[in-house]
Amino acid sequence: DSGVTQTPKHLITATGQRVTLRCSPRSGDLSVYWYQQSLDQGLQFLIQYYNGEERAKGNILERFSAQQFPDLHSELNLSSLELGDSALYFCASSLDRGVANEKLFFGSGTQLSVL
Amino acid sequence: DAKTTQPTSMDCAEGRAANLPCNHSTISGNEYVYWYRQIHSQGPQYIIHGLKNNETNEMASLIITEDRKSSTLILPHATLRDTAVYYCIVRVGGSQGNLIFGKGTKLSVKP
Repeated sequence: DSGVTQTPKHLITATGQRVTLRCSPRSGDLSVYWYQQSLDQGLQFLIQYYNGEERAKGNILERFSAQQFPDLHSELNLSSLELGDSALYFCASSLDRGVANEKLFFGSGTQLSVL
Repeated sequence: DAKTTQPTSMDCAEGRAANLPCNHSTISGNEYVYWYRQIHSQGPQYIIHGLKNNETNEMASLIITEDRKSSTLILPHATLRDTAVYYCIVRVGGSQGNLIFGKGTKLSVKP
């Protein structure tokens, strides 16, 4: 158990809909990262938040957004869903003390199926 | 963009050492090498990381060449449960960097 909690584990929805994925980082971790894993693209970095503020952006679509709340949990919002958004979405967290050798700990993911 | 090159797949006999190579010829002096693995569709699991010295923990050993352009992850006694995709990652961006995953090596441990 990594200590990172993601909910829900599975989500089935229809095209055009909007969903929210939730991530609770390990206790004390300040940074949260979101990754998308689809069959043909592998693990793609989407976005990182540090202590409530966006720190880095990767291959995140404009239809997707994220935020990190004062209690450090994070939500990834996916809107106007398309079939191609079906994927595993992982959240990771790190303590982020400002050193370059910290580990990221991953949650077990949310499997999103868009029908 | 991933800065590493790994073989697509490898096989290993159960009980034998698994040696997974990784090339990272463009690595900078202060960039760490991380290894993660992913079993089926589970979340990636941290294995080990290093800068320039060889490292060992309860899971594996990491051997980094002196010029830091390549490294090898060693699983000393592979078991069937070690079958997974192994990712070698160079963490760019220092303390604010994130992990950019490549395609990894699919390791199959066979009885």
